[in-house]
Amino acid sequence: DQQVKQNSPSLSVQEGRISILNCDYTNSMFDYFLWYKKYPAEGPTFLISISSIKDKNEDGRFTVFLNKSAKHLSLHIVPSQPGDSAVYFCAARRGIGGAAGNKLTFGGGTRVLVKP
Amino acid sequence: DTGVSQNPRHKITKRGQNVTFRCDPISEHNRLYWYRQTLGQGPEFLTYFQNEAQLEKSRLLSDRFSAERPKGSFSTLEIQRTEQGDSAMYLCASSSTRRAYEQYFGPGTRLTVT
Repeated sequence: DQQVKQNSPSLSVQEGRISILNCDYTNSMFDYFLWYKKYPAEGPTFLISISSIKDKNEDGRFTVFLNKSAKHLSLHIVPSQPGDSAVYFCAARRGIGGAAGNKLTFGGGTRVLVKP
Repeated sequence: DTGVSQNPRHKITKRGQNVTFRCDPISEHNRLYWYRQTLGQGPEFLTYFQNEAQLEKSRLLSDRFSAERPKGSFSTLEIQRTEQGDSAMYLCASSSTRRAYEQYFGPGTRLTVT
């Protein structure tokens, strides 16, 4: 049961252009969505998050868009830089009251290559 | 550096041996999580602590796995009688109560079972 899916395993983009990463989910109980970047042999690094009550959140070069009706979110990176080359994971948290429900469910990742 | 730390970074063990990993969370974070990541996949949730209480366990966490957080600070993950299928990256993350959804990960422990 893959509740969070990243259908594009890889993406190649020219330096300075926009990178758009997509993520689909099935569980309408998710209340927060997050994007992480991961370099080889390192743990995931938190990039940006968005609450399910919002449709956009921006932080510097990173913007996350959420379309709840389509159960779809995307991450835009503008402008893309060679240091952005990494694997990007989207993740979602199921909002349950109390102590439970804090685990993150991850997609399979999208490998981004930014060409100089 | 006050990020999440994990030790060891790499562990090679023979099948059937026991291994133990340690995680030190960000000091002001009271929530701690363990995940496992295999090649080509996203991290998968294993278990979660709030302070010293283990509040959630995945069905991935078989009876060979045990996790503790005895004083609500660092945590250990032990795997008994390791199997080749246990080979993976074991990731620890922590978060605060106020922003519990925002989890910060450590560098991981790469386990190889031969």
